[in-house]
Amino acid sequence: QVQLQESGPGLVKPSETLSLTCTVSGDSISRYYWNWIRQPPGKGLEWIGHIYYSGSTNYNPSLKSRVTISIDTSKTHFSLKLNSVTAADTAVYYCARQSSAWGMDYFYYWGQGTLVTVSS
Amino acid sequence: DIQMTQSPSSLSASAGDRVTIACRASHSISSYLNWYQQKPGKAPKLLIYAASSLQSEVPSRFSGSGSGTDFTLTISSLQPEDFATYYCQQSYSPPLTFGGGTKVEIK
Repeated sequence: QVQLQESGPGLVKPSETLSLTCTVSGDSISRYYWNWIRQPPGKGLEWIGHIYYSGSTNYNPSLKSRVTISIDTSKTHFSLKLNSVTAADTAVYYCARQSSAWGMDYFYYWGQGTLVTVSS
Repeated sequence: DIQMTQSPSSLSASAGDRVTIACRASHSISSYLNWYQQKPGKAPKLLIYAASSLQSEVPSRFSGSGSGTDFTLTISSLQPEDFATYYCQQSYSPPLTFGGGTKVEIK
């Protein structure tokens, strides 16, 4: 049973760095793209970016200058860093595994989500 | 970026109704289109992938169709547990993008 679990501070001050970790269990992290997706309260879903197990990344251009996604060398978790945060970065942050069928990708496994509030 | 536009943004329906949600892509995405259901406080749940493939364990009253730029999610007979928000998402090219969502409410 594949499970993803986000962890990290629930409150971050403006201008500081948001840091989250997604711990993967029940599957090897060394096979897929691993994603971060966020959802501001009452709003829709926004893809932040993903990382392949090899370390290659792809980011949403709207956040690219502030985002870093990394994967740990023991290959059991991956992380998100978003710097210079503002209130607009307040959201529920999800991690998700990108699966593929016939070359078409989708998100089947998701973490439960963690609310991060940006406030002084 | 490929923009995904859903319509309507909300709808009211009764149990047993047939419901159709539309999703339009700003560029052709072939069949690289997924549908998700989200209930309050929960992560999205995959319903349909590759435009028309039903995810296992998802009830057969859900179906997806379309290709290119125009797609549809249909619920053939709305059940009480189907009241939720539905999102389309393209996986044709990064940045991966979602539609704005369609909230299905009880009439």
